Amino acid sequence: GAGVSQSPSNKVTEKGKDVELRCDPISGHTALYWYRQSLGQGLEFLIYFQGNSAPDKSGLPSDRFSAERTGGSVSTLTIQRTQQEDSAVYLCASSTGWNYGYTFGSGTRLTVV
Amino acid sequence: AQSVTQLGSHVSVSEGALVLLRCNYSSSVPPYLFWYVQYPNQGLQLLLKYTSAATLVKGINGFEAEFKKSETSFHLTKPSAHMSDAAEYFCAVRVGQGAQKLVFGQGTRLTINP
Repeated sequence: GAGVSQSPSNKVTEKGKDVELRCDPISGHTALYWYRQSLGQGLEFLIYFQGNSAPDKSGLPSDRFSAERTGGSVSTLTIQRTQQEDSAVYLCASSTGWNYGYTFGSGTRLTVV
Repeated sequence: AQSVTQLGSHVSVSEGALVLLRCNYSSSVPPYLFWYVQYPNQGLQLLLKYTSAATLVKGINGFEAEFKKSETSFHLTKPSAHMSDAAEYFCAVRVGQGAQKLVFGQGTRLTINP
């Protein structure tokens, strides 16, 4: 597609429920990243996929968080047993390589009530 | 470890005035540095990048940044602010040689006064 597409744009969920956030990167971009943006916290790296290599999961805050990327394209970030502190904007980005910069999606605003 | 620090979480300037957003980096290897802009309810957009070529980098919307190794800085400037420049600006550094991920600063919110 023309840009990075994320869905849903907004998600309100009850504490303890599981949520899935979807990212559809730009076609042909081999690298895909998930970041979390909390109020006043800047952008926090979560996970990075590059081609068929094992993902860099070093930023995932707990084992409640997981992500997969199917067929080298669409990625899903799953948060299990959501907590209020998980409320944030989750941003996905894709790239052909770090030196070209990232192209970001508009994000999914997650609110846990 | 590589990191960036943005000085000032909020900056306010008058329309037509100089914009200066500060970013200092920490890196044990030659850094690769980026500035991104985020308009309300949107994702981040690349403004410009430094990848060890020219130290003065020109970006979109009239912005530029100068890499100063002696000061470990990569400040973002624009000679004359426009109302449409109101947004949040993030400085970022590439982490590690051969690595792909970026580490972002805390962001600076720019307000333009008419």
